[in-house]
Amino acid sequence: SQQGEEDPQALSIQEGENATMNCSYKTSINNLQWYRQNSGRGLVHLILIRSNEREKHSGRLRVTLDTSKKSSSLLITASRAADTASYFCARPPGAGSYQLTFGKGTKLSVIP
Amino acid sequence: EAGVAQSPRYKIIEKRQSVAFWCNPISGHATLYWYQQILGQGPKLLIQFQNNGVVDDSQLPKDRFSAERLKGVDSTLKIQPAKLEDSAVYLCASSSQGARDTGELFFGEGSRLTVL
Repeated sequence: SQQGEEDPQALSIQEGENATMNCSYKTSINNLQWYRQNSGRGLVHLILIRSNEREKHSGRLRVTLDTSKKSSSLLITASRAADTASYFCARPPGAGSYQLTFGKGTKLSVIP
Repeated sequence: EAGVAQSPRYKIIEKRQSVAFWCNPISGHATLYWYQQILGQGPKLLIQFQNNGVVDDSQLPKDRFSAERLKGVDSTLKIQPAKLEDSAVYLCASSSQGARDTGELFFGEGSRLTVL
């Protein structure tokens, strides 16, 4: 079953604005990953944050992790129309699990 | 480096027919996954292989779905007979990490199945 949820389910912003999406989970994790999926395409890995990290940057992306609250956030700064996509967080569903579980995703629309 | 290859990209069948999807992972990747993604939802794991052995198939509807990974490289996912609710995108992914050390997954473009 899919654990946790991304929030919001959908987000519409103007080009140049920042976009923030959140992910909650229920069990302890070793790491949490974020993926992007353009319409009709496969998923692309964006960033991985480990449980002993609080914040990580990659270009215009900033990911935070709060293990005490079991939540993570993805911030996209200075958004572009090309950022329009669905964004998913993925994490192992339980301690010692061998796989990744994905949430339902946040559908981001960036309006030019 | 070539990515994960999947075929066919699109398939339309009648219910109760059968269908097969093929996946060729990135060279050298030991772990291969099949995910099912229903429209508007996130991917749901169907089966995970480590080389040619099954690590987890607990969410695979075994009465109609089957998968194999011959020689630990290519994989085939089969549905027989198909139901309307099987309409989805079937995503194949591979990883260089072992099953106990989940790392980044590399996804193919997916195979979109429509069951009429």
